[in-house]
Formats: sequence, C-alpha cells, structure tokens
Amino acid sequence: QSVLTQPPSVSGAPGQRVTISCTGSSSNIGAGYDVNWYQQLPGTAPKLLIFGSSNRPSGVPDRFSGSKSDTSASLAITGLQAEDEADYYCQSYDSSLSGSYVFGTGTKVTVL
Amino acid sequence: QLQLQESDSGLLKPSQTLTLTCTVSGGSISSGGSFWNWIRQPPGKGLEWIGYISHSGSTYYTPSLKSRVTISLDKSKSQFSLKLNSVTAADTAMYYCARAISTIGTVPKFDYWGQGTLASVSS
Repeated sequence: QSVLTQPPSVSGAPGQRVTISCTGSSSNIGAGYDVNWYQQLPGTAPKLLIFGSSNRPSGVPDRFSGSKSDTSASLAITGLQAEDEADYYCQSYDSSLSGSYVFGTGTKVTVL
Repeated sequence: QLQLQESDSGLLKPSQTLTLTCTVSGGSISSGGSFWNWIRQPPGKGLEWIGYISHSGSTYYTPSLKSRVTISLDKSKSQFSLKLNSVTAADTAMYYCARAISTIGTVPKFDYWGQGTLASVSS
C-alpha cells in the first residue's frame, strides 16, 4: 500500500473547481521532497501534469495548478471540463526503509 | 520527440521469468540526467514504481521487489530491459517504461512514457 494517500474520488460540474489532496508524512512530502502529478485518461499511459509541486510542463492548461504544504500536496482543477475526467496520481520520494519513488493511491475525477 | 515502446509480454505461468524490453527513439538513451524506469499497474489499481537504470548503468529498485528484479541497459540498441523472477498472479499488471529526468534538489519526474504492455500470470 502506498505511503501517499489520496481520496478515491472527487466530482464536480463543468466549470467548477475541484481539488485533490495527497497526504504524506515526515519521510516524504514533510521532508521537503517535491511532488509531481500525473493524469491518466482511460486506457492510456499516465501523463505528467505538474512537476516540482507547482510547475506545469509546456502544453498543460493553466486550469491545473499544484501546491504543497507541510506533509501534504494538492492539485486543483479550475473550470472543470468533460475531458478532465480521468485518474490522477501524485508522486514523490520516500526516504524510509531503503528509499523509493512512490505514487499516491490515485483519485478518480468525475465530471457530472 | 522522445518515444518509448515496450515489447510484448503475453501470458506467463507462475514461477517463470517476465522479460520486457523498452526501445527508446527520438533521443539518446545516454543523455546525462536521464533515468530509465519500469512502472507497473495491476488491473483496476494504482501505479507502482519498480526501479530504474541510469544512463551510466547504475540501478535502483523498490525494496519490495529488489530480490526478484534486474534492470539492464543496451546502449548499442537504445534499449533497456526488465527481468522479474518467480512471478505469481500478483505480478499481473500493465508494465510501463518511462524516462525520469531531474535537476539537483528535485524529485525526478516521469516525463515520457511508453504505451504499456500487459503481462498476465496464470496457471
């Protein structure tokens, strides 16, 4: 089981704002490690959405934004669109045991 | 544009060895700062990082799979490979290869992914 916990699902109507939390601990996010976020559309490979906790790669709409505080991180989607319906994963590094790159448990975003 | 493509896996029986190859095109597998990764996703479940090999051949594996995993690099073919020994049904998953790139002080980000290949383990 993952050391980064996300809500299983969030939903919103088109145009609304939704946020996804990623809760970690003192051995990962709380230790100062960055968080990256990925979007996985049905039947496809994940796509990098946010890196370094709050940076967008070229081509990612500015409707997507990320933040980090203490032992948690968040992804916000403003102006929700039908095409945003997907699974979202956070990712960071965990220094416990022998250390490892870790993904969050994943959140399904449903556009109502 | 960097592209990654996994080889087919297919059906395996318990205790066999899963072998996958990822072919990199559109860029150099020897680029400094690049790490070549394997990540898997069981059907209907989340992502699990398996391990990486650096452009210089250094490897690092997730602790839970370390005893069964080997990742290798063939620069002449622009490929890297995954071997997972003694597979069980719990290893049934979509396996993705991905490039990670980082700068000093940052957590590597997986910026290019293959399309994935499904490996099924069943007797």
